[in-house]
Amino acid sequence: GESVGLHLPTLSVQEGDNSIINCAYSNSASDYFIWYKQESGKGPQFIIDIRSNMDKRQGQRVTVLLNKTVKHLSLQIAATQPGDSAVYFCAENRNPGGSYIPTFGRGTSLIVHP
Amino acid sequence: EAGVAQSPRYKIIEKRQSVAFWCNPISGHATLYWYQQILGQGPKLLIQFQNNGVVDDSQLPKDRFSAERLKGVDSTLKIQPAKLEDSAVYLCASSSSWGGNEQFFGPGTRLTVL
Repeated sequence: GESVGLHLPTLSVQEGDNSIINCAYSNSASDYFIWYKQESGKGPQFIIDIRSNMDKRQGQRVTVLLNKTVKHLSLQIAATQPGDSAVYFCAENRNPGGSYIPTFGRGTSLIVHP
Repeated sequence: EAGVAQSPRYKIIEKRQSVAFWCNPISGHATLYWYQQILGQGPKLLIQFQNNGVVDDSQLPKDRFSAERLKGVDSTLKIQPAKLEDSAVYLCASSSSWGGNEQFFGPGTRLTVL
């Protein structure tokens, strides 16, 4: 079956560095992607989204890049802070019949060292 | 704006017992989702409602899991009978449109089946 997966389960960075979290997807029909942040004991929190007609989108300190040719998605966090430590999930959204249905990847744990 | 409410926050039961989880979405949100998140994995969509209709329940183990959203607002998820492998966090989320928009997650219910 088709799935969403992540290249690295754990990423350790120093405070102030930039972080890059990668995600591979295999369903070419997916046309909407979302990055979520999940802190321990909490539900996932929306960070940023991107549609398949775009290849880049920027938010506050975050940038998402989409490469449809190789079915790859990345989340870049600038000037990483200790508060960024969490598990990050990418989610692809399929729309088989009028409503988006989400599929989450496994997640990457980001550890920020002070 | 109040967030997604879930109860209980924690539940411990013996295998073969029954359990029910409750979710109150953000006011006005038409779409409601139930996810199962096993430790170390991403959330897996169990069922998605649009108002009181089911959009997708392809991953819901229907021999033991059931969910309803009778009035298009609150929702309950039930497991009967529970198995050891049902131990997980059950997340409820809501969104304001058909999809393609961010989901707001509740804190989850941590279920332990002994």
